[in-house]
Amino acid sequence: KQEVTQIPAALSVPEGENLVLNCSFTDSAIYNLQWFRQDPGKGLTSLLLIQSSQREQTSGRLNASLDKSSGRSTLYIAASQPGDSATYLCAVYNNDMRFGAGTRLTVKP
Amino acid sequence: EAQVTQNPRYLITVTGKKLTVTCSQNMNHEYMSWYRQDPGLGLRQIYYSMNVEVTDKGDVPEGYKVSRKEKRNFPLILESPSPNQTSLYFCASSRGGDGQPQHFGDGTRLSIL
Repeated sequence: KQEVTQIPAALSVPEGENLVLNCSFTDSAIYNLQWFRQDPGKGLTSLLLIQSSQREQTSGRLNASLDKSSGRSTLYIAASQPGDSATYLCAVYNNDMRFGAGTRLTVKP
Repeated sequence: EAQVTQNPRYLITVTGKKLTVTCSQNMNHEYMSWYRQDPGLGLRQIYYSMNVEVTDKGDVPEGYKVSRKEKRNFPLILESPSPNQTSLYFCASSRGGDGQPQHFGDGTRLSIL
């Protein structure tokens, strides 16, 4: 059974720092991997989707990488801003979608 | 505006009293899904639907029912709610069920006393 783990569970950084969020999964047979953002009291917003054949995807200050063979993905956030404060979740898809528990990010002004 | 709408947003009720959480999407998506989110456990899929009149169990279907009579609606039914169903529930939809980006509703916080 696929298990998705996100470390750390919480992260606090000063504004302007570059940071990396980690996601690992136990079964490398995935179709794709997605990173989501969740704001308090809100649903999830899809940030990046990486197909299994891809190594990375970029959107603005966000860059997500995928190493399927080692069961790892990272979400890199450049020049963090207070508005980036949220919980970030990764999810892998192979017939069904499995989510990690998320990393709660706080960016301090 | 493309959106997934859930109602109610908050509900406090008692054990055994049947309740329905509605979910509606305006994007003509074929795939819809229900999740529950619990602290430390992430999101777990309850039921999903690939299209009208097609529904399947997810990871944690016990105690829940769904129906998909129309493409836009996918209600979640708790026939006899119990306290262990206290959770934050999300409905989501996507064009297809092959891992395409899902659009999520804002969530429904259920408290079963």
